Amino acid sequence: DTGVSQDPRHKITKRGQNVTFRCDPISEHNRLYWYRQTLGQGPEFLTYFQNEAQLEKSRLLSDRFSAERPKGSFSTLEIQRTEQGDSAMYLCASSLESIRGSPLHFGNGTRLTVT
Amino acid sequence: AQSVTQPDIHITVSEGASLELRCNYSYGATPYLFWYVQSPGQGLQLLLKYFSGDTLVQGIKGFEAEFKRSQSSFNLRKPSVHWSDAAEYFCAVGANAGNMLTFGGGTRLMVKP
Repeated sequence: DTGVSQDPRHKITKRGQNVTFRCDPISEHNRLYWYRQTLGQGPEFLTYFQNEAQLEKSRLLSDRFSAERPKGSFSTLEIQRTEQGDSAMYLCASSLESIRGSPLHFGNGTRLTVT
Repeated sequence: AQSVTQPDIHITVSEGASLELRCNYSYGATPYLFWYVQSPGQGLQLLLKYFSGDTLVQGIKGFEAEFKRSQSSFNLRKPSVHWSDAAEYFCAVGANAGNMLTFGGGTRLMVKP
């Protein structure tokens, strides 16, 4: 168990640019979640996958955001035409879906700064 | 809709003192409840979880939490705080263990020497 890995750790971009983040979940976990955390707040749910299927998306996930998990393993989160309000920590988590399930395990996040 | 309230934004305690962080939740069914801790610039680490059974659950680092259905609360406690406990603490509720979680706003704990 190597934990949930996120890349990059930090990203600084200019407003209007596109950015992409990657998340590698714990290998046997079939669920993968993206959360966003702004300064001084708790994480807010963005979207989640079960295997390669994107099962739920929050209203926070505007049309500029897209997430994929093409083979049910790693996932990418892309933000197009970034805005200053997108500055936040983007957290990825994974879990094992079952009757009781396993708790969410979080990565260390990608901190995005839009200038 | 589920929600979590952590009434205390900041708490300062002296090292060696006891600690209680409050968490109130709103959820229509039997909740799955969690406490996570986050150090600056890091992700969230699971401290403990409640699914069912004994309402007093033990976690890592000497933490425990008590589920009180009548009060819709899941408060986190530690008998003696260490300086390394300084961090942000989040309470969360979910439909089951591996499902989407709703988090509270967090409580930042500072420890005085």
